[in-house]
Amino acid sequence: ETGVTQSPTHLIKTRGQQVTLRCSSQSGHNTVSWYQQALGQGPQFIFQYYREEENGRGNFPPRFSGLQFPNYSSELNVNALELDDSALYLCATTDSTNYGYTFGSGTRLTVV
Amino acid sequence: AQSVTQLDSQVPVFEEAPVELRCNYSSSVSVYLFWYVQYPNQGLQLLLKYLSGSTLVESINGFEAEFNKSQTSFHLRKPSVHISDTAEYFCAVSRGGADGLTFGKGTHLIIQP
Repeated sequence: ETGVTQSPTHLIKTRGQQVTLRCSSQSGHNTVSWYQQALGQGPQFIFQYYREEENGRGNFPPRFSGLQFPNYSSELNVNALELDDSALYLCATTDSTNYGYTFGSGTRLTVV
Repeated sequence: AQSVTQLDSQVPVFEEAPVELRCNYSSSVSVYLFWYVQYPNQGLQLLLKYLSGSTLVESINGFEAEFNKSQTSFHLRKPSVHISDTAEYFCAVSRGGADGLTFGKGTHLIIQP
């Protein structure tokens, strides 16, 4: 059973709206990364946080932003939602070795 | 930048037969290699990883993968598959640090009775 919990599991939003997705991980996992998985595709790296600071980013625009909190929880925020943002969003955490990421079950976002 | 190619989008195989899922990567620096499995409507579960040392790595459920540096490959194999192995399998690479994981497009393993 995974130690990473994501909420909500499903979400429907309208184009142009803003959304916040949440992730909580097990104690000691001070690195969290977020991925977008479109239907039929592999996950794409959005960004990574380490000790509450963003320290890596994939090819995603600034309207994708995040936060990491001292209690090992984190958020992914997406502004000005577009239809193409419809996807499964996955959170992955790891400890200081930065290997063997543990994934949550994801949030399925549908933009209509 | 690194990239991952999974050569087969779908692999059908009969139950108890052997299977190989192919993965090739491209990177200008040394990378760590991973295989993840995804069951329907679930997140990703780590199957096995290669960080360093022995080029043959094994998982607890009978899968193994071999790192071949000269061919830049990390193919996944299982000598005898079971119905429960039906899933999507993703190969991924990472340089470590803040780069995250780079995934292939996945291979759907279909086990036929």
